[in-house]
Amino acid sequence: GAGVSQSPSNKVTEKGKDVELRCDPISGHTALYWYRQSLGQGLEFLIYFQGNSAPDKSGLPSDRFSAERTGGSVSTLTIQRTQQEDSAVYLCASSLGGGPSTDTQYFGPGTRLTVL
Amino acid sequence: ILNVEQSPQSLHVQEGDSTNFTCSFPSSNFYALHWYRWETAKSPEALFVMTLNGDEKKKGRISATLNTKEGYSYLYIKGSQPEDSATYLCAFFQDTGRRALTFGSGTRLQVQP
Repeated sequence: GAGVSQSPSNKVTEKGKDVELRCDPISGHTALYWYRQSLGQGLEFLIYFQGNSAPDKSGLPSDRFSAERTGGSVSTLTIQRTQQEDSAVYLCASSLGGGPSTDTQYFGPGTRLTVL
Repeated sequence: ILNVEQSPQSLHVQEGDSTNFTCSFPSSNFYALHWYRWETAKSPEALFVMTLNGDEKKKGRISATLNTKEGYSYLYIKGSQPEDSATYLCAFFQDTGRRALTFGSGTRLQVQP
């Protein structure tokens, strides 16, 4: 079946502009995660959605970052007033929803964001 | 903030060599340890999820062990092949209420033919 898809694959933007990154999880997966990997760093957790529960936003680095998940499926990560330090690969993952502790997470190919 | 350390940072081996690398994590409130493989231009792919002290998992030529009391996991690759070239990530889940994996920065493996 289809895996996790993300769009766009690459995004170049100017400092100060807003960007939206999209994630389509695997059908039937109730959990969805956003991560980012900055140059030379490990994967950094951003936000976690589980079903209809309130999302865990504890990893969002600032209030310029927000995410929503519509209809329990597609998710959009929005970065407002982008800064150069936002440049990173943004990865989305989904899982069956047993919980982030032991669920296998299936990752998308990522969106490479470059802020000039 | 949890500290998950992976070593070495990078590794170059010849085809046929066996290799191993380490993931270190806090031993308190341990819940689960994940290993992922991330090939260039592809998505990270799950290898193992380990929860019990002394756990050993195997997938083809790749195996992993877990020591939760001392806080480390080893990943072994027997008879490395060029297609094993990738970054190997470990991720740790601690039972403290934070509902997220904490990833290490990975070990980048390059296997020369």
